[in-house]
Amino acid sequence: DTGVSQDPRHKITKRGQNVTFRCDPISEHNRLYWYRQTLGQGPEFLTYFQNEAQLEKSRLLSDRFSAERPKGSFSTLEIQRTEQGDSAMYLCASSLGLAGGPRDTQYFGPGTRLTVL
Amino acid sequence: DQQVKQNSPSLSVQEGRISILNCDYTNSMFDYFLWYKKYPAEGPTFLISISSIKDKNEDGRFTVFLNKSAKHLSLHIVPSQPGDSAVYFCAASALGTGNQFYFGTGTSLTVIP
Repeated sequence: DTGVSQDPRHKITKRGQNVTFRCDPISEHNRLYWYRQTLGQGPEFLTYFQNEAQLEKSRLLSDRFSAERPKGSFSTLEIQRTEQGDSAMYLCASSLGLAGGPRDTQYFGPGTRLTVL
Repeated sequence: DQQVKQNSPSLSVQEGRISILNCDYTNSMFDYFLWYKKYPAEGPTFLISISSIKDKNEDGRFTVFLNKSAKHLSLHIVPSQPGDSAVYFCAASALGTGNQFYFGTGTSLTVIP
């Protein structure tokens, strides 16, 4: 299976703890995106990378959130000092994303469901 | 500020009939639209896209129609099958805003055998 993978699939943590999620995109894809989805809502954009460069960040991405894509391959999303409001599904997507190219279809992973107690 | 709206949270259709899912948007700068399907405990799966230079795009049983003047798009599924039962999201993006996609809140489709 060469689709987008995410790890872990589920994470339960206590308020105030730090959590880190990993996303492995489709191998030839240059762009990688992070979204958050809460119950009854569609995915909300958080940030995206073109190779290793983080090019855009949503205002939803508070200072407690940080994302990296160190070698332009996998990415991590870390949430520090988690709050109950951080409970959501965190989705990763990737796209072919030729530099300077047009927008293209994003392919999603299965998501990581975070529950903050 | 919900720039993409799906006003019908749910839809039920008999197997074999047409399913029509609707989506409205407010940002006139949106020029690229996609539909995704989502099963429980899975990520959204891409279905079909349309650029604003077209008003229709067809892929098998799925057709997306775009009415730019009304800022409205719709997804037609013909014939509907029980396996189509899922939540459907429309998404839109605007040139010059990077690759940020704005998603609607989804419509849950149930196809009744």
